Amino acid sequence: LAKTTQPISMDSYEGQEVNITCSHNNIATNDYITWYQQFPSQGPRFIIQGYKTKVTNEVASLFIPADRKSSTLSLPRVSLSDTAVYYCLVGDVIIQGAQKLVFGQGTRLTINP
Amino acid sequence: DSGVTQTPKHLITATGQRVTLRCSPRSGDLSVYWYQQSLDQGLQFLIQYYNGEERAKGNILERFSAQQFPDLHSELNLSSLELGDSALYFCASSVVGANTDTQYFGPGTRLTVL
Repeated sequence: LAKTTQPISMDSYEGQEVNITCSHNNIATNDYITWYQQFPSQGPRFIIQGYKTKVTNEVASLFIPADRKSSTLSLPRVSLSDTAVYYCLVGDVIIQGAQKLVFGQGTRLTINP
Repeated sequence: DSGVTQTPKHLITATGQRVTLRCSPRSGDLSVYWYQQSLDQGLQFLIQYYNGEERAKGNILERFSAQQFPDLHSELNLSSLELGDSALYFCASSVVGANTDTQYFGPGTRLTVL
């Protein structure tokens, strides 16, 4: 089971770029890296997913080095509404068609005006 | 709105009781997942169903059980409730349950055990 380690909390300001790094030293060959965002009392929401190198969508970018032992979620020009908990997950495929996501403690990101 | 619905939104009950939480997945999704989120434990994976069959099991207690019905909705049954079972219970769904699938989470059911 690939365990992830993230900073417990981060602070930034509106308009800044925020980078949250996640360590997953024992990631398996067939594991993908996925990031979710969660606001208080709401279910997590998918942000981005990648396997290697760089992935970008309309919300964020995900940087994954060649060894895949870490990944960095980059949020460009954050706003107050980006204040949330961000989870880095590494999928653990048990059998084909099964997916057991392990959510760590996440990173509590606070954006200040 | 993720397209996943959960009922009820809130549930207050007493220790020793039994409750049933219901989840309807997004249209077309075959896989359903259940998670428990409490203050001291974070978000914990409980169980996954795919097209009516159990596919993956996490830290689900023996007092808890789940099933997915032919219409693909799912129910999580919690029995002999204890104070520590108070938590937010989330259901999520995905297309097939592959490790590249995006899971779409419902709004959750807040269970309070008194």
